[in-house]
Amino acid sequence: QIQLVQSGPELKKPGETVKISCKASGYTFTNYGMNWVKQAPGKGLKWMGWINTYTGEPTYADDFKGRFVFSLETSASTAYLQISNLKNEDMATYFCARLWDYDAYYFAMDYWGQGTSVTVSS
Amino acid sequence: DIQMTQSPASLSVSVGETVTITCRASENIYSNLAWYQQKQGKSPQLLVYAATNLADGVPSRFSGSGSGTQYSLKINSLQSEDFGSYYCQHFWGTPYTFGGGTKLEIK
Repeated sequence: QIQLVQSGPELKKPGETVKISCKASGYTFTNYGMNWVKQAPGKGLKWMGWINTYTGEPTYADDFKGRFVFSLETSASTAYLQISNLKNEDMATYFCARLWDYDAYYFAMDYWGQGTSVTVSS
Repeated sequence: DIQMTQSPASLSVSVGETVTITCRASENIYSNLAWYQQKQGKSPQLLVYAATNLADGVPSRFSGSGSGTQYSLKINSLQSEDFGSYYCQHFWGTPYTFGGGTKLEIK
């Protein structure tokens, strides 16, 4: 069965760096892109961007350019989200989600990781 | 960037009622729209893709409709397990923006 399993909760200080992993299983990793989604406490979902798992090319939403890096370890079917110089506003749950296409035209995020909570506190 | 305006932001309803949630895109997204359900403390789950197609395992009381800039998610005969938050998301070019969400609560 298809699963996305994310790394555990993180407690970091402002200015530190965090790296979250998302390990995929049950399908061919490089056949589907991987998205990252932020959900601040009590707030809605915010699309951060996605990474083409075949080419490794990332695409970032404007609010996530600079301190955010998407990367891959294809041999391990794992995607990573790294956030550097952490700020209070980065405190959130981060989800990875598989990008699926229907008829090579319509898209959706059909499988999601369980989420990784990042707490930023001095 | 395409903006997604979702309404209502919250809804208080009783089991057995029918509800409709709407999403308006700032430009034509050619039915490239998905709906998700999220329960408290859980990951979102895909309900509808391509505006009208139910994802695998989604009960038939859910239905999606719309075209152009206007889309809706309808839930007939609400069940207790349907309470939670609902989000639309477009896929007509990046950024793949979400709507602001609708929180469905028990009356």
